[in-house]
Amino acid sequence: AQTVTQSQPEMSVQEAETVTLSCTYDTSENNYYLFWYKQPPSRQMILVIRQEAYKQQNATENRFSVNFQKAAKSFSLKISDSQLGDTAMYFCAFMFSYGGSQGNLIFGKGTKLSVKP
Amino acid sequence: GAVVSQHPSRVICKSGTSVKIECRSLDFQATTMFWYRQFPKQSLMLMATSNEGSKATYEQGVEKDKFLINHASLTLSTLTVTSAHPEDSSFYICSVRTGTNTGELFFGEGSRLTVL
Repeated sequence: AQTVTQSQPEMSVQEAETVTLSCTYDTSENNYYLFWYKQPPSRQMILVIRQEAYKQQNATENRFSVNFQKAAKSFSLKISDSQLGDTAMYFCAFMFSYGGSQGNLIFGKGTKLSVKP
Repeated sequence: GAVVSQHPSRVICKSGTSVKIECRSLDFQATTMFWYRQFPKQSLMLMATSNEGSKATYEQGVEKDKFLINHASLTLSTLTVTSAHPEDSSFYICSVRTGTNTGELFFGEGSRLTVL
């Protein structure tokens, strides 16, 4: 069974600084997706960034980037130039992919990020 | 992407009553929708996969007779919490998979259920 572990329940960062959220996962699958989702206080989950396991290049979306270490099964999220609007719960998630079909999304327990002015 | 809307966003009910939560895919015909439950300060736990025109697939430990799921059309799935009790109080979130090869899910705003 796949598991996703986020070891940092809470983190804080000063506005404009950089913060890294950790995520490790365990799987025997070779083809899968990894995601970081953000859940702001308004509660609707939105996708921050995704990574396909077969791609060696780390995904980047504006101020958000990941450090994907497949052998180590690590998938950390780096937020640069943190903004107050980045304050939210961040969930790391895993989904296996096989033969065109996709498994269920498995979430970590989340990291609560607070950006301080 | 897909726009997903849930209704109601908040509902309070008395113990023993039933509550229906709607999940609508506003701009996409979704053959599959997912229902999650989230306890305070906890992660999302998949409850069931809702399939249009057929029975839902429930995760282990989820009572199918308590959490009735109906996916009668490509744009609407409903979750009915039957004979609700205080321990059913939670945040219920639905999501839609658009079928592209991105693996991405699109989430509704969630519904906060409080059972008195």
